Amino acid sequence: DAGVIQSPRHEVTEMGQEVTLRCKPISGHNSLFWYRQTMMRGLELLIYFNNNVPIDDSGMPEDRFSAKMPNASFSTLKIQPSEPRDSAVYFCASSPPPTDTQYFGPGTRLTVL
Amino acid sequence: AQSVTQLGSHVSVSEGALVLLRCNYSSSVPPYLFWYVQYPNQGLQLLLKYTTGATLVKGINGFEAEFKKSETSFHLTKPSAHMSDAAEYFCAVSGSGTYKYIFGTGTRLKVLA
Repeated sequence: DAGVIQSPRHEVTEMGQEVTLRCKPISGHNSLFWYRQTMMRGLELLIYFNNNVPIDDSGMPEDRFSAKMPNASFSTLKIQPSEPRDSAVYFCASSPPPTDTQYFGPGTRLTVL
Repeated sequence: AQSVTQLGSHVSVSEGALVLLRCNYSSSVPPYLFWYVQYPNQGLQLLLKYTTGATLVKGINGFEAEFKKSETSFHLTKPSAHMSDAAEYFCAVSGSGTYKYIFGTGTRLKVLA
């Protein structure tokens, strides 16, 4: 059974460019989470979707960040314009109902020059 | 409100020795507790979890943890360390029926030959 799939695994871009990160949750899972991991701040929850609906986006840093979940099998996290301080590893996780255990993808390492 | 404290950001043990990684939590509701492991350049993998019931929880790779309500602790142990256990370990807490994990800052385990 495939786990959470994220693409790309690595992304290097220049400041000001648009970045789109992609996630495919585990089939049958109805909750999806986007996290950011940095040395300074550890693991931070950015946004939580339940049944494709954003429930909690209080962790989204600012308007430059946006996330969508058009269907149960796909989500995107977009940064526009990107800044060097956005450099981090971004994880997607999904959870089956009831939402008590999260399964993480391998992450996307983003470097903004 | 919930919080997690992991004592010791770095722990070194000899191969074959006992592994003990400490986690203390605070929670205003009955907690769900989790240990995740992160190998270099990989996502977080669930080791074990406590939700209700038996307070001694066994996980993968020979790890176990005991929920001690009186001590607000959920320490992770393994009787005999193996070189392949070298990784970063995260403790997390959530509340029953809630989605939001609060992660600790992580403990990096080094196993010495």
